[in-house]
Amino acid sequence: EPEVTQTPSHQVTQMGQEVILRCVPISNHLYFYWYRQILGQKVEFLVSFYNNEISEKSEIFDDQFSVERPDGSNFTLKIRSTKLEDSAMYFCASSEAGTYQPQHFGDGTRLSIL
Amino acid sequence: ELKVEQNPLFLSMQEGKNYTIYCNYSTTSDRLYWYRQDPGKSLESLFVLLSNGAVKQEGRLMASLDTKARLSTLHITAAVHDLSATYFCAVTNNAGNMLTFGGGTRLMVKP
Repeated sequence: EPEVTQTPSHQVTQMGQEVILRCVPISNHLYFYWYRQILGQKVEFLVSFYNNEISEKSEIFDDQFSVERPDGSNFTLKIRSTKLEDSAMYFCASSEAGTYQPQHFGDGTRLSIL
Repeated sequence: ELKVEQNPLFLSMQEGKNYTIYCNYSTTSDRLYWYRQDPGKSLESLFVLLSNGAVKQEGRLMASLDTKARLSTLHITAAVHDLSATYFCAVTNNAGNMLTFGGGTRLMVKP
């Protein structure tokens, strides 16, 4: 069964450094998403992306965050200057066209900011 | 602001027993999803509920939706150890695809 893949599985970064999290969505999917889950807390929406542009974003997704689809397969989340509170599990998801399609999640990248 | 509340947050039950997890949400929505998450793993889609009165079943799990009460339930029948996981409900805002998740219910099924 096709799946969303994320790399790396674990990223350790010094505070203030830039980090790029990578995702390969399912190939025929058109909608892409990033969520995060701080340890022990609920999953929170960051951003959705469709047709090469952001379609929705949350308050968490401030100027420090950006997303890009640099080629036909990858979808990236960049955090420009990481803070301690950015430490979380970051999930990428994708879904087919159509309003009611479920979002399929990757295994996540655990980001640890030191 | 859309809010999603689940209860209980933690559930320990014996194999063979039945139980229900509840998911309440604060504003109208036309889509509700249930996901399962194993420790350290991703979220696996279980059910998509689209209309009032919708009921879906897969194995020992059955999900239902009451849009008037803004309530969804996930019923577990004759629980088995393999069902131990955290279960999340999630609701979309009507305008788009942003999922708002509940806090999750950590289910532990004891042999």
